[in-house]
Amino acid sequence: DTEVTQTPKHLVMGMTNKKSLKCEQHMGHRAMYWYKQKAKKPPELMFVYSYEKLSINESVPSRFSPECPNSSLLNLHLHALQPEDSALYLCASSQDLAGNYGYTFGSGTRLTVV
Amino acid sequence: EDQVTQSPEALRLQEGESSSLNCSYTVSGLRGLFWYRQDPGKGPEFLFTLYSAGEEKEKERLKATLTKKESFLHITAPKPEDSATYLCAVYMKGAGNKLTFGGGTRVLVKP
Repeated sequence: DTEVTQTPKHLVMGMTNKKSLKCEQHMGHRAMYWYKQKAKKPPELMFVYSYEKLSINESVPSRFSPECPNSSLLNLHLHALQPEDSALYLCASSQDLAGNYGYTFGSGTRLTVV
Repeated sequence: EDQVTQSPEALRLQEGESSSLNCSYTVSGLRGLFWYRQDPGKGPEFLFTLYSAGEEKEKERLKATLTKKESFLHITAPKPEDSATYLCAVYMKGAGNKLTFGGGTRVLVKP
């Protein structure tokens, strides 16, 4: 299995809703990431987990809450989002150190906040 | 300040018209430079990793090269299916597994 699987593919939520994005990989990668991507912009790093511990938080607002239950799963819990949080949310994984196969990205969750 | 800049922002090509995309970087302690292809609404798809100046890698119609200040992605005889946004990203020493992306080049290949 050489994929990063993200669910759901699309999500529409109200500003008072609570929802979660899920990411799964079975490549034995020990680093996992959340990126946010707005239209026609490059991905922006939000969080990095290394060996299931949060190692980087790029000053992301607390309405985004990451969780890494085990080495294969990564969640992003969403609460009280704003319309400007609408974006493509990408999960990625990598071996502990960047190797020849780089970082593997999932297909993303298209989030719309109404 | 560490920066990654891609040019041009957009590129329109006729099928078969070869061209090059540029990724220039001003970072300290480059550990690797990555090229990705991204289709609309999809996640980036890994193409190449380059580690040291002078290194080259090829895949089908794509060839990536690296110098001490920039990388080029050469597209030879492109086809319409090569239309996509091409992203470069750098991985730096001490960055803690953090990729820094350039702004991307949107490539459109017309038949």
